[in-house]
This record gives sequence, structure tokens and C-alpha cells, in this order.
Amino acid sequence: SQTIHQWPATLVQPVGSPLSLECTVEGTSNPNLYWYRQAAGRGLQLLFYSVGIGQISSEVPQNLSASRPQDRQFILSSKKLLLSDSGFYLCAWSVRPTIYEQYFGPGTRLTVT
Amino acid sequence: KQEVTQIPAALSVPEGENLVLNCSFTDSAIYNLQWFRQDPGKGLTSLLLIQSSQREQTSGRLNASLDKSSGRSTLYIAASQPGDSATYLCAVQGGSEKLVFGKGTKLTVNP
Repeated sequence: SQTIHQWPATLVQPVGSPLSLECTVEGTSNPNLYWYRQAAGRGLQLLFYSVGIGQISSEVPQNLSASRPQDRQFILSSKKLLLSDSGFYLCAWSVRPTIYEQYFGPGTRLTVT
Repeated sequence: KQEVTQIPAALSVPEGENLVLNCSFTDSAIYNLQWFRQDPGKGLTSLLLIQSSQREQTSGRLNASLDKSSGRSTLYIAASQPGDSATYLCAVQGGSEKLVFGKGTKLTVNP
């Protein structure tokens, strides 16, 4: 069966510090991968998605970036965090090219102080 | 631009009651619609996915319907239990890889 891992589970970082969140998927190959952010009162916002190694699409202009160095690994990064980057970050995957049902990881709670 | 609205934003019911959660979307050209459950501080759990050619899907006490032409979906929960308390999210997918989410309905089932 497929599983998706995210770490760390929680993170408190000062403004201006770098960020690296990691997501890995097991039990499937060549998945679509997604990064979402969930902020209070704003719902889920798609940040990045990837259809393959090295292929990243950005949905929202921001100081975040994403990379996919391996087929089942997706990384969210920032060089300098802002207060507005606080939120709950969720990674998800789906199988191509079928019906695109998405499966979510447990999330990372990021607090920027 | 697709927009998804969920009404009500919050709902509190006594245990055992049947209930309906609503989801509406502005662009009827969708590929599928997915209902999720989110417990506090947790990720999303997929409940049901309805493809655009389908009218409904059922899983246990849950039944989701889709009326694509009117831009509406409902999630019916039968015989609600305190363990059903969570936030329920609706999301639609158009012709791309992306899901557009509503803001969710926070359900509380009181024992």
C-alpha cells in the first residue's frame, strides 16, 4: 500500500531563517506531487505541483521554492522566511494518468516568529 | 476562475441525526469532485471521489451526490456519531492537475 511521509511535524523558525520541508511517498512510482498551505480562515492553497523529476509548476508568487530531486521526494524550501509563511503545509500525491484522486500527508505546522 | 463554496461553515447536531453538507462550484466543467475529512492538526483523509460522469458515490454511512450542471454536490452522513466530528472539505478538479478547495464545514456531533 502507498504511504506518504512529511517531516518535521512541527517547526518554529525565526523570521529570515531558511526552511526545508520534506515529503516522500512509498509504494507508488511516477506520482504527481503537490505542496499546499493551509492558513487560518483561508482554506487550502496550492503552492507547487510536479509531474516528474525536476518538473515544478508554481501557482503563487512567493518566497518559497520547491524541488523534486527523486521520483518520490518533494522538498519545499525558502531562503528567508517571512511571518506570513506561517501555516500548515501539506504534501499530497496522485496517480497519473487516471482519475487524479489526491492523497495527503500528515502535514507540517510551521510557526515563524 | 473556479470558486468553491461550502455552506454552512459550521454545524452542530445531536448524535444519531442525519445531516447534509453542501458544496457549490462556479465552473461546471470539472473532471471530478472529492470530499475530504480533516481532524484538528491533521492531514486530509479522502472520503469519496465522484467522477464527472457519475451522479453519486457511497461509502458506509456516507453518500455524496454530484449535479454538475447546477454546480452542486452534497455529502450526506447517516446516523451521525461523535467520531464524525471534523472539518469536511470539498474540492473540484478541472482540466489540469489541480484541485480547488472550499473552506470547509466544521461538524460537531454532540453525544
